[in-house]
Amino acid sequence: DTEVTQTPKHLVMGMTNKKSLKCEQHMGHRAMYWYKQKAKKPPELMFVYSYEKLSINESVPSRFSPECPNSSLLNLHLHALQPEDSALYLCASSHRDNLRNTGELFFGEGSRLTVL
Amino acid sequence: SQKIEQNSEALNIQEGKTATLTCNYTNYSPAYLQWYRQDPGRGPVFLLLIRENEKEKRKERLKVTFDTTLKQSLFHITASQPADSATYLCALNKGKLIFGQGTTLQVKP
Repeated sequence: DTEVTQTPKHLVMGMTNKKSLKCEQHMGHRAMYWYKQKAKKPPELMFVYSYEKLSINESVPSRFSPECPNSSLLNLHLHALQPEDSALYLCASSHRDNLRNTGELFFGEGSRLTVL
Repeated sequence: SQKIEQNSEALNIQEGKTATLTCNYTNYSPAYLQWYRQDPGRGPVFLLLIRENEKEKRKERLKVTFDTTLKQSLFHITASQPADSATYLCALNKGKLIFGQGTTLQVKP
């Protein structure tokens, strides 16, 4: 079983809704990540938090808003999404994040998002 | 531009045989390379990491090689089993972890 917990597992929302995805890890990792994965495609990096500070934003539209309340928690706030944003959203954590050494990532099971 | 390429076609092999998956990259000089397994609808699971100064790494039935001259990594599963059927992703570090598109392996009994 993964040690990264994501909720909810499934989410259906309309284009005018506001919702949030949540991620929690208790491995003492100081780097946390959001990836987006479409069917039959590889995970694509969205955001990286290192020591609770946003260190990488891969030019993600502002309708996705990440938040890292503490070292164990990572949220992704969703607002005014489009149907093409429907995907599997994966949270991951790792021991450290620096320019040379990300280390292995521990992924959650993902949140399957459908935007109607 | 930087590219990571894995076998685009699915790989079908017979149980007991060795599966060999390929990961090629261009315009990268990664410090290390990782391999992950992903089952349908689930998050990727880390398998092996190999550093630029290592030629080969083993873990149980898994073996990874890393040739920085050829810019290629090979991932081998020996004595394959139907339970090994999954998508296998290679990933390179360039300040952040970037994934290849994955190769789907089907092991038939």
